[in-house]
Amino acid sequence: GENVEQHPSTLSVQEGDSAVIKCTYSDSASNYFPWYKQELGKRPQLIIDIRSNVGEKKDQRIAVTLNKTAKHFSLHITETQPEDSAVYFCAASLGTASKLTFGTGTRLQVTL
Amino acid sequence: DTGVSQDPRHKITKRGQNVTFRCDPISEHNRLYWYRQTLGQGPEFLTYFQNEAQLEKSRLLSDRFSAERPKGSFSTLEIQRTEQGDSAMYLCASSLGQGAGANVLTFGAGSRLTVL
Repeated sequence: GENVEQHPSTLSVQEGDSAVIKCTYSDSASNYFPWYKQELGKRPQLIIDIRSNVGEKKDQRIAVTLNKTAKHFSLHITETQPEDSAVYFCAASLGTASKLTFGTGTRLQVTL
Repeated sequence: DTGVSQDPRHKITKRGQNVTFRCDPISEHNRLYWYRQTLGQGPEFLTYFQNEAQLEKSRLLSDRFSAERPKGSFSTLEIQRTEQGDSAMYLCASSLGQGAGANVLTFGAGSRLTVL
């Protein structure tokens, strides 16, 4: 089955700096890659996703890039703010008929 | 419809007891998923339904675990003879049944299980 690895496990940045979280996946047939944000004690919430026919997607301060050849994808957050502090999970799935496989998460802390 | 609802939010039980969790998905969502999340880990897939049909079960889902979605709406997850290792947050999620939204999951707030 699919295996998703995520790095780093923790990341501390100063407010205004950029943050990058990286994930690799094992199954080259995977074609959907979402990112979820989970604040302490709350449910995971989708923040951005990308499909394998696209190399990059942006939504305001958040962007995701996908390298299908290398089987890795990354989340980029620019101009970080304290409210960006949370745990971020990447995930991958094999088409619309398949479940998501999640990475182990990255705890992002944005300091003032 | 305010999203995916789960009940109870917290359950404390003694080892060996049975527990049941309920999930009410977003009404127009055909798919319903159960995930388990332990501290410091990502959600781990347990099982999912398309309408009332259980389409996939993880190897994590031992024979003590059973999930149902009898009418294709709400679902229950039952754990029999609970063990301390079952302590976790049990997350339910739902999605549309087809098309681009089929794997865009909306999660519930979870049911936290503590087995003493």
